[in-house]
Amino acid sequence: DTEVTQTPKHLVMGMTNKKSLKCEQHMGHRAMYWYKQKAKKPPELMFVYSYEKLSINESVPSRFSPECPNSSLLNLHLHALQPEDSALYLCASSQEHRGGRAQETQYFGPGTRLLVL
Amino acid sequence: EDQVTQSPEALRLQEGESSSLNCSYTVSGLRGLFWYRQDPGKGPEFLFTLYSAGEEKEKERLKATLTKKESFLHITAPKPEDSATYLCAVSSSGSARQLTFGSGTQLTVLP
Repeated sequence: DTEVTQTPKHLVMGMTNKKSLKCEQHMGHRAMYWYKQKAKKPPELMFVYSYEKLSINESVPSRFSPECPNSSLLNLHLHALQPEDSALYLCASSQEHRGGRAQETQYFGPGTRLLVL
Repeated sequence: EDQVTQSPEALRLQEGESSSLNCSYTVSGLRGLFWYRQDPGKGPEFLFTLYSAGEEKEKERLKATLTKKESFLHITAPKPEDSATYLCAVSSSGSARQLTFGSGTQLTVLP
């Protein structure tokens, strides 16, 4: 089973709201990712967690706050977003590679469609 | 800096008309090349991972191949349900866990 689940599927929020996106996987993967995707563009990496520790932050504004409470869950807390933050937010997971030459495959969830008014 | 270029940007085929999508890449030490299919408003669906030149993988009507500079996704006798955007991504020695995506090829298969 290579399933990554995300909730909610759709979210509409005002610029003063606080909301959270959730992601879950039960594949035993120890690397989890948040991506942002605008229409007709490829996904852009936001954050990477490895063994529940933040390992990559791609200079994302502080209004996005990631959290990895355990090895199966990944949250993205949203606060004071701007209309330009409207996008499809994707979660992904992969086996954590321990050095070596191969890069593990990332499996994506269905995404959360976010609209900021 | 890793670079991935996909061509064509868009492709319209008649049902049953075979064709190929191209993914050219420039990386410093390839760790993996990945093909995904993405339907509108949904997350990318994993298709194939290729690790070394000469490698080939097949799944139903799709076959992916890899050389030292590019990868092809061959679609044999496509059906309308194959219509989607196909994304190519690479990971390199200098960017573990970070995928560099191409802009995608939007495939439309007409009945």
